[in-house]
Amino acid sequence: AQKITQTQPGMFVQEKEAVTLDCTYDTSDQSYGLFWYKQPSSGEMIFLIYQGSYDEQNATEGRYSLNFQKARKSANLVISASQLGDSAMYFCAMRVDVIGNEKLTFGTGTRLTIIP
Amino acid sequence: EAQVTQNPRYLITVTGKKLTVTCSQNMNHEYMSWYRQDPGLGLRQIYYSMNVEVTDKGDVPEGYKVSRKEKRNFPLILESPSPNQTSLYFCASSLSYDSYEQYFGPGTRLTVT
Repeated sequence: AQKITQTQPGMFVQEKEAVTLDCTYDTSDQSYGLFWYKQPSSGEMIFLIYQGSYDEQNATEGRYSLNFQKARKSANLVISASQLGDSAMYFCAMRVDVIGNEKLTFGTGTRLTIIP
Repeated sequence: EAQVTQNPRYLITVTGKKLTVTCSQNMNHEYMSWYRQDPGLGLRQIYYSMNVEVTDKGDVPEGYKVSRKEKRNFPLILESPSPNQTSLYFCASSLSYDSYEQYFGPGTRLTVT
C-alpha cells in the first residue's frame, strides 16, 4: 500500500523568502504520480503541481517547483519568493498506476504561514 | 462554469438518521471520488468511481455507501451516521483516474451528535 509522509505540521517563513515543504512517499510500484494541493483558509482544494515517476525533469508551475528525488522517495514542494497569499495548508498526494488500485493517498499536510 | 457542486454545505444531524450528501459535476468527468478531512489526518479517500456503475472502496469506506447511476452524480450515503463520522467531506472529479488534476467541490461540513 502506498503511503505519504509530511513531517512538518507547521512552518513560518518570512515574506519573499523561498520555502521547501517536505514530502516522502513509499510504494513498491514503479509507475506513479505525485501531486501537491493547496488549501487556503477558505477551505477549497487547489491543484498546484504534478510529477510523474518517469518524468526526467522536475515539474515547475510558475513559482512552484517539485524537487523530485526518486532514489530518496521524496517529492518536496519549493515555493520561490513567498507571498502572504501562500499562507495555507499544503497537501502532498500520490497515485499508483495499478489497475484495481486507482486511489489517491494524501499526507497529513503542512500549515504554512508567511510572515510580513 | 466548470465545477463540482456539493449539497448541503453544512449539516448537523443525530446519530442513526440516514442522510445523503449529493455531488454533481458538469465536466463530463469519468472519475469521481469522496474524501473526508480530519485534523491531523489529512484527506482520506472513502470511495471512488471509475465510471458509471463502477465503484470501489478507498481507505476508509466503513459506514458509507455510494452509487454512480449517472456520469455526473456521485452521492455519498450514510445509512446510520455516528459521531465518528463528524468531518469535512469533499467530492472530487477528474477526466480519468490518471489525470493530473482533480477538481474538488467546496466541501460539506457534517456534524453528527
